[in-house]
Amino acid sequence: ELKVEQNPLFLSMQEGKNYTIYCNYSTTSDRLYWYRQDPGKSLESLFVLLSNGAVKQEGRLMASLDTKARLSTLHITAAVHDLSATYFCAVEGGADGLTFGKGTHLIIQP
Amino acid sequence: DAGVIQSPRHEVTEMGQEVTLRCKPISGHNSLFWYRQTMMRGLELLIYFNNNVPIDDSGMPEDRFSAKMPNASFSTLKIQPSEPRDSAVYFCASSLVYRYGYTFGSGTRLTVV
Repeated sequence: ELKVEQNPLFLSMQEGKNYTIYCNYSTTSDRLYWYRQDPGKSLESLFVLLSNGAVKQEGRLMASLDTKARLSTLHITAAVHDLSATYFCAVEGGADGLTFGKGTHLIIQP
Repeated sequence: DAGVIQSPRHEVTEMGQEVTLRCKPISGHNSLFWYRQTMMRGLELLIYFNNNVPIDDSGMPEDRFSAKMPNASFSTLKIQPSEPRDSAVYFCASSLVYRYGYTFGSGTRLTVV
C-alpha cells in the first residue's frame, strides 16, 4: 500500500523567510503532484513532477523530485501572506489514481 | 473550459435519506475520480473510472455507497441510506493523461444530521 507522508503538518512563518515542505512516499513512483487548497475551496494544481531530478518553479514556489530517495520538496522563497494555504503532495501509484499526504497547513504572518 | 462541475455545492440531509452527488468532467478527459475529504482521514480515493468503466472501487467505504458513469460526461455518487459519519466534502476529479495532472471540481459539502 502506497503511503505518503508530509512534514511538517503545520507551519507558521513570517513574511520574507524561506522554508521547505517535505513529502516522502513509500513505493516506487515517477509521478508526483503538488496542490494548494484554500479554506473551503477546491484543490488547485501547482506542479506536476514526472521524472527523477525534475524541478519546477512558479513565482516564490519551487518543487523538486528525487525518485531514488522517494522524496519531493516544495520550497518557499521570501514568503508572502498570500501563500497562506494548505499544501498537499500526491503520488500516483500505478493505475490507482492519486494518494495524498495529510497536507501542510501554512500560515504566513506579516 | 468550465472545468470539472459538481452539484450540489452544499447538501444537508437527514440520516437515512438517499443522497446523490453529481459530476461533469472536463470534456475529453477519460478518467474520473471520486475523493472524500475529512479532517480525520484527509483525502481518500473512493472510486475511479477509466473510459466510463469502474476500475477500482476498493475505497468505497460500504455497500451504502455506489457510483455510476453512464457516459463520458456524467457521473454520480450515491449514498443510501446516509449516516452522520458520511458528512464530508466530496470531490470529483478528471484527467486525460497523467502528465497534465488531475483537475478537481469545487466539491460538494455534505452534512448528514
